Amino acid sequence: NAGVMQNPRHLVRRRGQEARLRCSPMKGHSHVYWYRQLPEEGLKFMVYLQKENIIDESGMPKERFSAEFPKEGPSILRIQQVVRGDSAAYFCASSPGQPGNSPLHFGNGTRLTVT
Amino acid sequence: AQRVTQPEKLLSVFKGAPVELKCNYSYSGSPELFWYVQYSRQRLQLLLRHISRESIKGFTADLNKGETSFHLKKPFAQEEDSAMYYCALVTGGGNKLTFGTGTQLKVEL
Repeated sequence: NAGVMQNPRHLVRRRGQEARLRCSPMKGHSHVYWYRQLPEEGLKFMVYLQKENIIDESGMPKERFSAEFPKEGPSILRIQQVVRGDSAAYFCASSPGQPGNSPLHFGNGTRLTVT
Repeated sequence: AQRVTQPEKLLSVFKGAPVELKCNYSYSGSPELFWYVQYSRQRLQLLLRHISRESIKGFTADLNKGETSFHLKKPFAQEEDSAMYYCALVTGGGNKLTFGTGTQLKVEL
């Protein structure tokens, strides 16, 4: 089992461009979570998805950010019209069940730099 | 508000010394707490969960509801314990893990 795979590892975008971050969960895991880590801060929850459904998006900024986890393929975190403040490390995690019952398995993260 | 506080950004101890990484939480219900660890150049991984009441790599953590704390302890620090440690609380009706800001543990020889 290759673990949670995130790509790309590093992504550079100019202000105004779109960023697409991909996450393939561990085999057998149907729960996916996205977290953001800003410099000098901890991991901030963004969104929790199950296949084809957004369960909890209370941590997602109201504009420009969206996430999906289609029936087939990886989960995608999409940031439109990026700004410098979006520069951060974005981590994906997966689990076979809810976090209270199952440990989260994390990917290596995608480091987004907005120039 | 549901919150996890790790007051120390950096904790430096000598090899063989006791370690205590502090974690306090704010939660109105019955808390479910975890410690995650990130070693250098590795991904974040689960260290232990309070419900299991287990010792992993010599670390233990006891939930103290009176003090709303879940401190991570180890009697004798080893060099390989140097890592970033995050305390986490299940919140949002069980839908998410809320993390503290983390404590960098540095074990010196």
